[in-house]
Amino acid sequence: NAGVTQTPKFQVLKTGQSMTLQCAQDMNHNSMYWYRQDPGMGLRLIYYSASEGTTDKGEVPNGYNVSRLNKREFSLRLESAAPSQTSVYFCASSEMGGDYGYTFGSGTRLTVV
Amino acid sequence: GIQVEQSPPDLILQEGANSTLRCNFSDSVNNLQWFHQNPWGQLINLFYIPSGTKQNGRLSATTVATERYSLLYISSSQTTDSGVYFCAVEASGTYKYIFGTGTRLKVLA
Repeated sequence: NAGVTQTPKFQVLKTGQSMTLQCAQDMNHNSMYWYRQDPGMGLRLIYYSASEGTTDKGEVPNGYNVSRLNKREFSLRLESAAPSQTSVYFCASSEMGGDYGYTFGSGTRLTVV
Repeated sequence: GIQVEQSPPDLILQEGANSTLRCNFSDSVNNLQWFHQNPWGQLINLFYIPSGTKQNGRLSATTVATERYSLLYISSSQTTDSGVYFCAVEASGTYKYIFGTGTRLKVLA
């Protein structure tokens, strides 16, 4: 049972390039989330999907787009990467909303130069 | 929006010592979780605890929702307890968890 799988684990982008971070869960969870973590800080919510077919903005959505492809997969896209988007990105899933707790992926470390 | 404050920001313990970490929040919440981020960056859910008290081995947590705080107790600390402990709260009906900035714990052998 893999839980939450994120790809890639590491990525270096040049300013202005685009990329998509992938997240998949095999726990049949309804809700999925994307967070970013900057040095010395807590996690900040970028976007979330309470259930399949819905997405909503979190605290820091600017510069990002998301797609809830199906119940298992929730991707995060950077259309034109900026150095301010250098961060560690975490995907999480939960059974429904905030109930029963989160399961996190292992993270994607992104550097934009 | 809701504010989440954790204290202390940093804590150094000798192996075997006990500690209490605190999480204060500024508004009523539906849900609350405690997480441990190990030195390799992995985030592990410790407790889902919107109210009451739970225990899991050497760790226990108490949330008093009416007074807007939660406590995480670590007893007989071990070096493997080192890392950052985060509290996260979900404001009523929002589906969005807001994280505190964490307590960085170092346990010395």
